[in-house]
Amino acid sequence: DTAVSQTPKYLVTQMGNDKSIKCEQNLGHDTMYWYKQDSKKFLKIMFSYNNKELIINETVPNRFSPKSPDKAHLNLHINSLELGDSAVYFCASSRLGTGGADGELFFGEGSRLTVL
Amino acid sequence: QKEVEQNSGPLSVPEGAIASLNCTYSDRGSQSFFWYRQYSGKSPELIMFIYSNGDKEDGRFTAQLNKASQYVSLLIRDSQPSDSATYLCAVKEGNKLVFGAGTILRVKS
Repeated sequence: DTAVSQTPKYLVTQMGNDKSIKCEQNLGHDTMYWYKQDSKKFLKIMFSYNNKELIINETVPNRFSPKSPDKAHLNLHINSLELGDSAVYFCASSRLGTGGADGELFFGEGSRLTVL
Repeated sequence: QKEVEQNSGPLSVPEGAIASLNCTYSDRGSQSFFWYRQYSGKSPELIMFIYSNGDKEDGRFTAQLNKASQYVSLLIRDSQPSDSATYLCAVKEGNKLVFGAGTILRVKS
């Protein structure tokens, strides 16, 4: 059983289109994240939800809208895609805590978005 | 957002040697530190975490933390070609992990 699964794994689309990526985790974690990894491999947080509530919203354009229908799912919808949106988007989950390994992220396989 | 810095590399070491990967961070309040390994085209996977000053060993891997110097490192003993990957240092800040840009490690046989 895949712990954190995302679909689709690959998206190729034209500028201006809208696309969605879905994520599901079966680890029983309360917190889920979207990270963006650019061509230089820099992994940057975009959003985080805890029990369906948005707790982190980094400086991300309004064209990106996350939605969490329940604590096991976190989806990402992107409107009016731009060339600079091309990247790998990783979904992740974790236990929310303050000690030791709390905060360890479990990543999905990534969704590679290419905007032409 | 505070910063996490790593030398991008590539760091090349011969098979069997010790690879030393370094990371500095700017947030003095950070308490938990993680090393992730990412193979090309794959997702990051956790190798080790550390939250106390000193060394923590797990097999061929040793993490070292010095909070006074805001420095965390990862040593890989007896490096193998299969260790060739990008190593990401991550620091916990509040409810999120902040990642460095990663160091590319190449182990040559």
